[in-house]
Amino acid sequence: LAKTTQPISMDSYEGQEVNITCSHNNIATNDYITWYQQFPSQGPRFIIQGYKTKVTNEVASLFIPADRKSSTLSLPRVSLSDTAVYYCLVGDGTDKLIFGTGTRLQVFP
Amino acid sequence: NAGVTQTPKFQVLKTGQSMTLQCAQDMNHNSMYWYRQDPGMGLRLIYYSASEGTTDKGEVPNGYNVSRLNKREFSLRLESAAPSQTSVYFCASSEREEGNYNEQFFGPGTRLTVL
Repeated sequence: LAKTTQPISMDSYEGQEVNITCSHNNIATNDYITWYQQFPSQGPRFIIQGYKTKVTNEVASLFIPADRKSSTLSLPRVSLSDTAVYYCLVGDGTDKLIFGTGTRLQVFP
Repeated sequence: NAGVTQTPKFQVLKTGQSMTLQCAQDMNHNSMYWYRQDPGMGLRLIYYSASEGTTDKGEVPNGYNVSRLNKREFSLRLESAAPSQTSVYFCASSEREEGNYNEQFFGPGTRLTVL
């Protein structure tokens, strides 16, 4: 199983773009990269998923370089409500989905 | 649709007591999961079930048993609760297509305290 490494915490201000990078050096050919957001006292919520290059949806973008050994979640113009823990998850196509330690994002006014 | 539901929301047990956490999903997903999350920590996979009738161990299965009762329901049992099992327990479900997996949907969690 590919292990992921993320920064423990990040700080930002409202209106800024936030980029959170996840390292997954042992990613396998079949692995997809998924990011989740978790607010206190709630279960994680899916943000975005990708395999290679760039994926964009209404809330975030996911950048994956050609070697796929890392990925970057980009949150444009964050607000206070984006304060949460963000998890990078790499899956090998099986159901053994293991979360990493996550990145605690604090957004200040 | 209710999504993923869990019961109970809160529970206090004494050391040695047993209990079963219930989870149900109405999205017709094949895969279901149980995670635990200790205060200030990430989620750890306890058990998962890729389909009705199958279960597999995750990262931290010791002290737990599971049952995939049918496609909708996946229960987690603590036979003899210990203080180290004090945690928030999350159930999740997902559906895989063509070898990858789609998003996991999480329930609201069960907050368990073992005294």
